[in-house]
Amino acid sequence: DTGVSQDPRHKITKRGQNVTFRCDPISEHNRLYWYRQTLGQGPEFLTYFQNEAQLEKSRLLSDRFSAERPKGSFSTLEIQRTEQGDSAMYLCASILMPQGDAFFGPGTRLTVL
Amino acid sequence: AQSVSQHNHHVILSEAASLELGCNYSYGGTVNLFWYVQYPGQHLQLLLKYFSGDPLVKGIKGFEAEFIKSKFSFNLRKPSVQWSDTAEYFCAVVGSSNTGKLIFGQGTTLQVKP
Repeated sequence: DTGVSQDPRHKITKRGQNVTFRCDPISEHNRLYWYRQTLGQGPEFLTYFQNEAQLEKSRLLSDRFSAERPKGSFSTLEIQRTEQGDSAMYLCASILMPQGDAFFGPGTRLTVL
Repeated sequence: AQSVSQHNHHVILSEAASLELGCNYSYGGTVNLFWYVQYPGQHLQLLLKYFSGDPLVKGIKGFEAEFIKSKFSFNLRKPSVQWSDTAEYFCAVVGSSNTGKLIFGQGTTLQVKP
């Protein structure tokens, strides 16, 4: 058990619906990352937070994607008006910077029908 | 721009063979380097890391990696692989400063034949 939890583990939705995922990092970790992973590919960076501040958002991320980390604790990733191309595993990782390891959660597998 | 490149996409070895997976990165500053492993059906786990000091780092399960700064490389090695090493391996890099994103390579699938 790495200590990072994600909810839900699986989500099936219809195209056009909104979905929200939650990540609970290891409590003392100050940095939180979101990634997307498709089969046979490495995790693709989406966005990351230092405490509650969102420091960077991937240029590949459309305006349909938004993430929050209120109070620097858990984080949510919302996808609006889902498309079939959004189907992927969404991973969350937390780190205690500057010298910490990144611990990954089990991911949320999204399937858009 | 920050990037990580893994040269081998799919490697097939027999048990007891030696392993070396290549990783090169592009980043204009001091970096922290990682190798992660993802076993079938499991989430990413840290194999080893380099932050500073001895450029030859040892990780779990007999893996090691060598940081060669002049070549921007961080290759993963294991003298003798086992069937249980079958997995995907990812190299990752993050800038050592207080900001910076953790970037992954595209991964290498290792298949070890018994």
